[in-house]
Amino acid sequence: EVQLVESGGGLVQPGGSLRLSCAASGFTVSSYDMHWVRQATGKSLEWVSSFGAAGDTYYADSVRGRFTISRENAKNSLYLQMNSLRAGDTAVYYCARGKVAGTWDVFDIWGQGTMVTVSS
Amino acid sequence: DIVMTQSPATLSVSPGERATLSCRASQSIDTNLAWYQQKAGQAPRLLIYGASTRATGIPARFSGSGSGTEFTLTISSLQSEDFAVYYCQQYNNWPRTWTFGQGTKVENK
Repeated sequence: EVQLVESGGGLVQPGGSLRLSCAASGFTVSSYDMHWVRQATGKSLEWVSSFGAAGDTYYADSVRGRFTISRENAKNSLYLQMNSLRAGDTAVYYCARGKVAGTWDVFDIWGQGTMVTVSS
Repeated sequence: DIVMTQSPATLSVSPGERATLSCRASQSIDTNLAWYQQKAGQAPRLLIYGASTRATGIPARFSGSGSGTEFTLTISSLQSEDFAVYYCQQYNNWPRTWTFGQGTKVENK
C-alpha cells in the first residue's frame, strides 16, 4: 500500500527549531518529487517546500532561509528542518507525493499530517 | 504570484442535487488546475488535475472544466459522502510554486 506517515510535530517556543519526518512505503521517494504543505486551523492549504526527484529544492517565500527540506534515500524518507519558528508557522504539516500533471506536479498521495504549535 | 479565488465560500446543497463550484486565477494558467476534497480531520484528496482529468478512483459524478483563468468543478448528483471543503490549486507558476484557493465548503441544505 502506498502510504506517507509524518512525525516530529509538537509544541515549540518562538525562535525554536523542529524537524519533521515523512516515512514513505509502497513507493520509492527518490523517484518522485516530494512536497510539504501546511494548513493553519480553519484556513486554506499553503505549499511550503518541495524536493525534486533530481535533488532540486524549492521554498515558499514565507519559509525561505528558515526551513530546509531534505531526503534520505536509505530510509525512504523526506524531512523538513524548521528553524527560527514563528507563531505564524503554527499549522498541520502534510507530506505529499508529486504526480506529473502538466507544467508541474499535483499532489496525489498525502500523509495524515503532524501538528506544529509555536507558542510561549 | 498567482492568486486563486474560489466562489462561493459556502454552498448549501441537498443530496441528489447538482453542485457547481468556481475557481478563478489572477492570470492564465492554461489547464494547470487541480481540485482537492478535504473532509473534517482528514488530509486532502486529489480529485481532478489538468482541469478535467479525474484522479484514480474518483467517481464519474465529479467533473472539471475550464482553461485560462476560469474553472468549474461539478458534482452531478451530490452524495452524503461529498459534503466537504473543496480547494482548487494552480501549478503553472514560474519559478516553481503552487497556490491554493481559499476553499468552498459544500454543506447539507
